[in-house]
Amino acid sequence: AQTVTQSQPEMSVQEAETVTLSCTYDTSESDYYLFWYKQPPSRQMILVIRQEAYKQQNATENRFSVNFQKAAKSFSLKISDSQLGDAAMYFCAYRSGTSGTYKYIFGTGTRLKVLA
Amino acid sequence: GAVVSQHPSRVICKSGTSVKIECRSLDFQATTMFWYRQFPKQSLMLMATSNEGSKATYEQGVEKDKFLINHASLTLSTLTVTSAHPEDSSFYICSASSGTGVEKLFFGSGTQLSVL
Repeated sequence: AQTVTQSQPEMSVQEAETVTLSCTYDTSESDYYLFWYKQPPSRQMILVIRQEAYKQQNATENRFSVNFQKAAKSFSLKISDSQLGDAAMYFCAYRSGTSGTYKYIFGTGTRLKVLA
Repeated sequence: GAVVSQHPSRVICKSGTSVKIECRSLDFQATTMFWYRQFPKQSLMLMATSNEGSKATYEQGVEKDKFLINHASLTLSTLTVTSAHPEDSSFYICSASSGTGVEKLFFGSGTQLSVL
């Protein structure tokens, strides 16, 4: 079974600085998707960034980028120029790429605090 | 972006009553919907996966007779908590996937259930 591990329960970053959130996963599949979701105090889950496993190029979305290391099964999120609005819980998620019934598996989350 | 509407956002009920939570995909057809439960400061726990027109697939440990899921159309899924008890108090989140094109998971805004 697939697992997703986020080893940092909480992280802090100074406003305008850069922070990296860690995520590792375990799978025997070669085709899958990885995601980072943000959950602010409103508790609305928001998709931050998405990576297909078959793509070698790391995904980027404005100030958000990932470091995808397939062999190491690592998928870290880098937030550049951190803003107060980035403060939230961040969840790493895995989804099987095979057809048929699939599940999204979420890590335990990292709470990011942004200091003014 | 795609919108998933979840209602109600908050419900308080007496022990022994049933509560229905609705999840609607507003601008796309959701071939698959997922129901999650989230305890305070914890990750999302998958309860069940439902596909339109078929019975839901429940995760191990989730009582299918207590948590009734109906996915009657490609835009609507409902979760009914039957004979609710205080231990059922939690934050419930639905999500929907179009299953076509670029795979993305869209979340409802969640329902906070409090059983007195």
